[in-house]
Amino acid sequence: GAGVSQSPRYKVAKRGQDVALRCDPISGHVSLFWYQQALGQGPEFLTYFQNEAQLDKSGLPSDRFFAERPEGSVSTLKIQRTQQEDSAVYLCASSRLGVDTQYFGPGTRLTVL
Amino acid sequence: SQQGEEDPQALSIQEGENATMNCSYKTSINNLQWYRQNSGRGLVHLILIRSNEREKHSGRLRVTLDTSKKSSSLLITASRAADTASYFCATTFSNSGYALNFGKGTSLLVTP
Repeated sequence: GAGVSQSPRYKVAKRGQDVALRCDPISGHVSLFWYQQALGQGPEFLTYFQNEAQLDKSGLPSDRFFAERPEGSVSTLKIQRTQQEDSAVYLCASSRLGVDTQYFGPGTRLTVL
Repeated sequence: SQQGEEDPQALSIQEGENATMNCSYKTSINNLQWYRQNSGRGLVHLILIRSNEREKHSGRLRVTLDTSKKSSSLLITASRAADTASYFCATTFSNSGYALNFGKGTSLLVTP
């Protein structure tokens, strides 16, 4: 079936603006993850959902970052008052269960000017 | 912070040659996975090796795991230009749930 999709693929924001990034996981996947990948680095974990429950948000860098998955499928990562250091690719991944292989979406490249 | 470290940071070989990349990590793991990333296909899962396994094969890929040395290697045999990509190892730690902890990656260039 279809893989993980993310939108938008590219987002340019002025410093101080709020942004919302969307992730559509693979249908039926219980677990959903968000990662942040800075240029030249590996992805870094942000947060994890099991269905609609956010079980781990230890990687969120500040309280400006907020994620939700209200119906246990689509998830939104919101960044308030964006800063230049928020510029990165934001990757979403889903898995059948937490312990299983994670399948990644194409990412959203966020550039904060 | 990055928990794993790949070595080398960059590798350039010719088609047909073998490529070996290494990964080291710091704490006890549940499993170790290798991913490939290029601009065309994003981050793609290659292979998973569990902490109680020592070697695993998938097509032209061979992965080894040495938990006593906290290291893993990925061997790509008979490389092709299409193997050009960045390769990352990712671990899940025994006491920290399902989050993947990635290294900085090895950038592989395969020239025709």
